[in-house]
Amino acid sequence: NAGVTQTPKFRVLKTGQSMTLLCAQDMNHEYMYWYRQDPGMGLRLIHYSVGEGTTAKGEVPDGYNVSRLKKQNFLLGLESAAPSQTSVYFCASSYPQRLQYFGPGTRLTVL
Amino acid sequence: AQSVTQLDSHVSVSEGTPVLLRCNYSSSYSPSLFWYVQHPNKGLQLLLKYTSAATLVKGINGFEAEFKKSETSFPLTKPSAHMSDAAEYFCVVSIPFTGGGNKLTFGTGTQLKVEL
Repeated sequence: NAGVTQTPKFRVLKTGQSMTLLCAQDMNHEYMYWYRQDPGMGLRLIHYSVGEGTTAKGEVPDGYNVSRLKKQNFLLGLESAAPSQTSVYFCASSYPQRLQYFGPGTRLTVL
Repeated sequence: AQSVTQLDSHVSVSEGTPVLLRCNYSSSYSPSLFWYVQHPNKGLQLLLKYTSAATLVKGINGFEAEFKKSETSFPLTKPSAHMSDAAEYFCVVSIPFTGGGNKLTFGTGTQLKVEL
């Protein structure tokens, strides 16, 4: 039982490049979330999903897209990376109205 | 709307002395409250949670927190700090989304330093 895993752990991009972050969970959770963590700002919700095939915007969705084609996976995409997207990204999953379990994070730098 | 304020961005204590990390919250609903810890370059680990049961909540590693409704606060305490407690601590408020799931609002974090 691996819990919540994230791929990759680290990535460096140039401005304008695209990439996809993968989150996987093996706990059969319905809900999945993407957050970003910036110094002095805590974690902020980017997008979330309440089930396979559904997604919704969080607090800071601009510049990101997500997809939930399979229940266990939640993908976060950056179509054209900007330096302002340099951050640590955390994925989480949960049962409805239950505790969220967090992945180890992906450290992304955009030059 | 909900919000969380961690009143201290940095706290420094000596090993063996008590720890107090302050947290104030506001919420239109009866919230669930959490404390998470993050060690350097690591993910988030749940320390403890309050979900409307006992107001004094015990967590891992000797930490505890008391839900103080009249003061809208949820301070984290530990009687005796250990070097391994040095980390960043986040106070978190959770309320249900309208469409399902929970909205977590994080405080800005308190960096705890433990000195010999």
